[in-house]
Amino acid sequence: GAVVSQHPSWVICKSGTSVKIECRSLDFQATTMFWYRQFPKQSLMLMATSNEGSKATYEQGVEKDKFLINHASLTLSTLTVTSAHPEDSSFYICSASPPRRSEKLFFGSGTQLSVL
Amino acid sequence: AQRVTQPEKLLSVFKGAPVELKCNYSYSGSPELFWYVQYSRQRLQLLLRHISRESIKGFTADLNKGETSFHLKKPFAQEEDSAMYYCAPNQAGTALIFGKGTTLSVSS
Repeated sequence: GAVVSQHPSWVICKSGTSVKIECRSLDFQATTMFWYRQFPKQSLMLMATSNEGSKATYEQGVEKDKFLINHASLTLSTLTVTSAHPEDSSFYICSASPPRRSEKLFFGSGTQLSVL
Repeated sequence: AQRVTQPEKLLSVFKGAPVELKCNYSYSGSPELFWYVQYSRQRLQLLLRHISRESIKGFTADLNKGETSFHLKKPFAQEEDSAMYYCAPNQAGTALIFGKGTTLSVSS
């Protein structure tokens, strides 16, 4: 089946620094990728829709200047958490869908971000 | 507005007991309905989708458009079924909107 690779799986950073998370579709091209955030024992919350070659679409309440999304190719989307604060500590998950209609979403393994 | 309701945050059953995880949705258009499962320390994975009408790991789910429900059922729960379950409606090309999830705990 289709595979979505997410890297890194775990990152610890100091407050004020920036962290980049990569999401790659390994065996299909994804014009659209989605970024989710998950707090402990809570559901996944959609943060933004990443569109190849164009600006990302952010959900209400998500700061686009803090969570920079770049979808420069059909197989790679990146999420950069800028000037990270402890409240940004969370589990971030990306997903992508093969381009055919009715195809399901495939999820990355997630990135646990801890901001000290 | 698109909304998914999973009323039970936690469902605890004994091994061999029947299980029903409830899901109600409010969604414009004709979405496809999915159940995703997240086992401890593993990535989210698809359990089943309503259009395939299949049974995965003994789980089934029937879409009731009149009641806008998509409850997940299994006649005899197993300990390895313990996980977090998410119901999600979706239309092709759009993001999945997840319910709050239900933790299923199966004990012996």
